[in-house]
Amino acid sequence: DIVMTQSPLSLPVTLGQPASISCNSSQTLIYSDGSTFLNWFQQRPGQSPRRLIYMVSIRDSGVPDRFSGSGSGTEFTLEISRVEAEDVGVYYCMQGTHWPWTFGQGTKVEIK
Amino acid sequence: EVQLVQSGGGLVQPGGSLRLTCVGSGFTFSNYWMSWVRRAPGKGLEWVGNIKQDGSDKNYVDSMEGRFTISRDNAKNSLYLHMNSLRAEDTAVYYCTRMSRSSAGNYWGQGTLVTVSS
Repeated sequence: DIVMTQSPLSLPVTLGQPASISCNSSQTLIYSDGSTFLNWFQQRPGQSPRRLIYMVSIRDSGVPDRFSGSGSGTEFTLEISRVEAEDVGVYYCMQGTHWPWTFGQGTKVEIK
Repeated sequence: EVQLVQSGGGLVQPGGSLRLTCVGSGFTFSNYWMSWVRRAPGKGLEWVGNIKQDGSDKNYVDSMEGRFTISRDNAKNSLYLHMNSLRAEDTAVYYCTRMSRSSAGNYWGQGTLVTVSS
């Protein structure tokens, strides 16, 4: 199985400041057709997960533009340009290239 | 509005069985792959498996294959997760989700808690 490794696992941030989460995969996530199925999810306390980013850098419907994704191959990053209070929660990267699809361990974002 | 509404779940003894249901509305249910994901207490998210639009193809995570079965009834807009031989480590909140790998739109049920304990 593909292992997704996130860092940091805990991220205290100041409101209005940027934040960044890294995600590394144990194998390349480039699919046979050249696509890369790397997703980012947010799970707020007490809520169901919500996908923020798919295919590395495409924001899902309704996702604020302060969220952005980048990367290629085995190294990926989620950035929040200016953290807001509603961004508190756990963030997961997830690969959908190789079955079984796998998530990273999660990064807990909290306000300082 | 797309909605996924889950039911089922609860407390079950080790070795027991349970069926979870997820009913979709606001979209053409039969057009989409559907999936189950779980989150154990204090742990991260984990895929359980998924099922093709017509039910002809299913994928499971190894640790659940043979014990868990995913099925669907498109006439009822319903997705099911049949769980047998349940173990304490299957204790988790289970979510159904509709997700395309390559297009926008990701929807989740509200989650249902399954507790395996004697």
